[in-house]
Amino acid sequence: DGGITQSPKYLFRKEGQNVTLSCEQNLNHDAMYWYRQDPGQGLRLIYYSQIVNDFQKGDIAEGYSVSREKKESFPLTVTSAQKNPTAFYLCASMLWGAGRQPNTEAFFGQGTRLTVV
Amino acid sequence: GESVGLHLPTLSVQEGDNSIINCAYSNSASDYFIWYKQESGKGPQFIIDIRSNMDKRQGQRVTVLLNKTVKHLSLQIAATQPGDSAVYFCAETEEGGYQKVTFGTGTKLQVIP
Repeated sequence: DGGITQSPKYLFRKEGQNVTLSCEQNLNHDAMYWYRQDPGQGLRLIYYSQIVNDFQKGDIAEGYSVSREKKESFPLTVTSAQKNPTAFYLCASMLWGAGRQPNTEAFFGQGTRLTVV
Repeated sequence: GESVGLHLPTLSVQEGDNSIINCAYSNSASDYFIWYKQESGKGPQFIIDIRSNMDKRQGQRVTVLLNKTVKHLSLQIAATQPGDSAVYFCAETEEGGYQKVTFGTGTKLQVIP
């Protein structure tokens, strides 16, 4: 079945460590997104990528890094520079057509809950 | 640094009544809007979308209204059921732009049996 998969579901990190969250999609979508969600709050955009080997900062990119070496994969690294990394992280992908018109809504993975211990 | 966001507003509705969830968007260039439903601990699920060349779109038990003049979007749920209890988000993006998809703050819907 086509879809978007995030792993792991739960992740624990010691202070000062970098961790990488995985996001894989087999929907053949060009655009992929990472969002952060804190308890009782909305989704804030961290990074997004329109195409392989290209990505842009979102609204809260500080302390995070991404790569887009393959169309299917958009891993997010939470670095030690991120002062408050404990949150729920959501990855999404979206299909855009000619003329940069969205062909579909954004499809979401089930999220990774990161906790700093 | 990161700003601390507001906690979600809550809408409490009696089972069987209609619900109206509102969303204000900020980018006047946004022209594609999506409503999502998020249950606790899960990723958002698509409900309905609307493009800026429309004022209204209907789905099964849901209707989205778009007022571009005041940059306002609403989601109407008919005959609200306990299974509708969740957090609802609107999202906006701009056709022909950089494919950035931005979400609103969200509203928590509580259905009272």
